[in-house]
Amino acid sequence: SAVISQKPSRDICQRGTSLTIQCQVDSQVTMMFWYRQQPGQSLTLIATANQGSEATYESGFVIDKFPISRPNLTFSTLTVSNMSPEDSSIYLCSVEASGGYNEQFFGPGTRLTVL
Amino acid sequence: QKEVEQDPGPLSVPEGAIVSLNCTYSNSAFQYFMWYRQYSRKGPELLMYTYSSGNKEDGRFTAQVDKSSKYISLFIRDSQPSDSATYLCAMSAKDSNSGYALNFGKGTSLLVTP
Repeated sequence: SAVISQKPSRDICQRGTSLTIQCQVDSQVTMMFWYRQQPGQSLTLIATANQGSEATYESGFVIDKFPISRPNLTFSTLTVSNMSPEDSSIYLCSVEASGGYNEQFFGPGTRLTVL
Repeated sequence: QKEVEQDPGPLSVPEGAIVSLNCTYSNSAFQYFMWYRQYSRKGPELLMYTYSSGNKEDGRFTAQVDKSSKYISLFIRDSQPSDSATYLCAMSAKDSNSGYALNFGKGTSLLVTP
């Protein structure tokens, strides 16, 4: 399985500011995913990020609010823009396993609190 | 109706007990089924992965999929205090737009007491 790291591990931010979360993988992967895990809720997919193409967003998530970059096969960033307290959540990146299977492996998450 | 339903618990069992965790789903297109374990303040860790119906065993863990009933289960034998965590079921159908997007249950919190 891939080793995935995220930065920062946690942050406390003020309303109206933006935070960029980094996801680094120790091997080259085609597909990377960004999820949100709100208290008491299911993990929810925000978007899929393929290297060399625009990210694909799920219903309810828009690029202006959650811009994503995927500059190479081992790295991606998710920005949470113009934050409000409702954005307080854990944000997780994941990667698809190699070998043609759709198992996904997750990073440790970024715990975001917006005041 | 959410696509994946999972009882959040909490479920408390004594050490050594057999634990049964379950999820139901409504989308008949789901064909890949996974169980993740998530310790507090950690990311989900893939435990079991199955394709279509049937059973899969790995050590103390057994995953069952019944597509006709749209029901999946995870059994943990000889449960240990280290098994205390939140268990998330996840499933997916082939999706050309977003790869194999995973649909998660809310997770069941398990506590195994010594």
